[in-house]
Amino acid sequence: DAGVTQSPTHLIKTRGQQVTLRCSPKSGHDTVSWYQQALGQGPQFIFQYYEEEERQRGNFPDRFSGHQFPNYSSELNVNALLLGDSALYLCASTRRGTAISYEQYFGPGTRLTVT
Amino acid sequence: GNSVTQMEGPVTLSEEAFLTINCTYTATGYPSLFWYVQYPGEGLQLLLKATKADDKGSNKGFEATYRKETTSFHLEKGSVQVSDSAVYFCALSDGGATNKLIFGTGTLLAVQP
Repeated sequence: DAGVTQSPTHLIKTRGQQVTLRCSPKSGHDTVSWYQQALGQGPQFIFQYYEEEERQRGNFPDRFSGHQFPNYSSELNVNALLLGDSALYLCASTRRGTAISYEQYFGPGTRLTVT
Repeated sequence: GNSVTQMEGPVTLSEEAFLTINCTYTATGYPSLFWYVQYPGEGLQLLLKATKADDKGSNKGFEATYRKETTSFHLEKGSVQVSDSAVYFCALSDGGATNKLIFGTGTLLAVQP
């Protein structure tokens, strides 16, 4: 049973560029959430996608956008990159609407460095 | 708003010592509580959870009890091993439409042989 997978593992970008990160949820899961984890901090909720729609957004600017595909996989896009966007980006999946949804399963993350 | 506060690290222990990592929370309603562990260079793994008051979550020798009266969810282990060295995050889910997680800042545990 494949867990949550993310790509790429590492990424280096320059200020002002755009980046796309990808996530495939755990088998049987239909909901994907994205979190940003700055160095030495706990993860911060960016947004969640379910049924190909953004369901809730955390305190992040519109430069952060996402998408969910019919196969439940998801992308996180960040435009006009800032140095402060350097972080580990974590994807988490769950199955909405059941008691199991209390548990979110995390991928290994994508380490983004902005120079 | 909802928040989680956990003790600052690093926590340095010798192998077989007793571990406590304190976690308190602020939340409206009845959140679910979690402990996640992050090993170096990896993502987060769910260690244990509790979904209602007085529930005890346990896994791999770790335990935590949901204490509503003290709004706490302290992590304990009777005898730590070097392999337990990692960052531990306390988190809550407010059970809203998305069950989003709110994390503490993490506590680094270093176990020495």
